Order: sequence, then structure tokens, then C-alpha cells
Amino acid sequence: DAGVIQSPRHEVTEMGQEVTLRCKPISGHNSLFWYRQTMMRGLELLIYFNNNVPIDDSGMPEDRFSAKMPNASFSTLKIQPSEPRDSAVYFCASRLQGSSTEAFFGQGTRLTVV
Amino acid sequence: DAKTTQPPSMDCAEGRAANLPCNHSTISGNEYVYWYRQIHSQGPQYIIHGLKNNETNEMASLIITEDRKSSTLILPHATLRDTAVYYCIVRAIGNQFYFGTGTSLTVIP
Repeated sequence: DAGVIQSPRHEVTEMGQEVTLRCKPISGHNSLFWYRQTMMRGLELLIYFNNNVPIDDSGMPEDRFSAKMPNASFSTLKIQPSEPRDSAVYFCASRLQGSSTEAFFGQGTRLTVV
Repeated sequence: DAKTTQPPSMDCAEGRAANLPCNHSTISGNEYVYWYRQIHSQGPQYIIHGLKNNETNEMASLIITEDRKSSTLILPHATLRDTAVYYCIVRAIGNQFYFGTGTSLTVIP
């Protein structure tokens, strides 16, 4: 398996633009997580899905952020409109729900909003 | 999930064992101890996890005290590539992975 795949790896956009980050989880995993990492706040859990259903989005910073998981093999995190303070590295992770197994992380998307 | 406490930074000489401590004094009986590391600019990487017994794999060993209130991750022969931030996470099945600030390990040549 190629692991968790995120795209793009780097994104630079202007303030006010819409940004869409993409994630393909490991095949067979039924839990998916979106994290954000900044120097100030470290790794923050934004939202997670079980069996494509959003379970807890309490970590989503505000209404400008939305996440979807239309099927078991794809998820998006959208920011609209983007702001400079959204600049961060966004990680996607997946795991098999209901076991003690670990979560596997993608390589992240580095977002810069100018 | 129980909170964890880790030293912010540590140094280790190359080739020596690196022993990274973690305090989780409020751990519950159903909570596992997980260790991840993050090498600069990469996604967190799973290292090892355990419930009660000590665990060993090709990367590291995990020593959990009998009362489960603390644990130590051991990298037996640290290399320069082990320089990273190491996160200790306590988690019950069904709950999520919440990362603290971790320990920044620097392996010195």
C-alpha cells in the first residue's frame, strides 16, 4: 500500500481564495482524521470521520473550514475564504476503527496564504 | 484521555541508547500508551504502543512501569536520523490521537 496520500504537497494562495486539500486514506481503513500543525499550537485535531461520517468536528476553527468524505477512499478539507492565519501544514491520517492499531499519517500539505 | 508530560528536549550521543521518559499518572486501565515521532517537515510516524507489558519492535522498546503511571521509549542505538520530536500519547480504543508538545531529541555525532 502506498500509505496515506495527500495532495497537493504545497499550496500558495492569495487571501480570500478557496483552498481544497485532498486525502486518500489507506485502503481498508475506516477512520480518517484531519490535523493542522503550526509552531504556535502544535498538532491540532480538526475533524475525524468513521465510516465516511463526520463524528467530531469540534476542532474545526470556524465556519470557513469544511470537510467531506464522499466515499471510503477520498476526503477533502476546504477553506473558503482563506486567510493568512490559516497558513500551516495540514495532515491527514487513517486507521482501522475499533482496534488498538495505530494511525498512519500522510506527508502533509504545506499551505501558505499570502 | 489521560494527559502526558514529557521533557521538552533531550540530547543523545550517536550510537548510545536514547531513553525518552513520559509521565501519564492519570492513565486509565483501558488506555494504551503510544509513541510517535516527527522528523522535520514529515508526517508523524508510528513507533510502538503497549497496554501493560513491555514491548519491542525493530525500531524501539517500550517500558511501562507496573503501576502504568509512566513509560520510557528506548532507542537502543541512536543514529543521526533519529533526531526528531517524539510524542507520547495515551489513548483508549475508540478515542482519538491527541498530540502534546513532545520531546525534541537531538542525536549528537
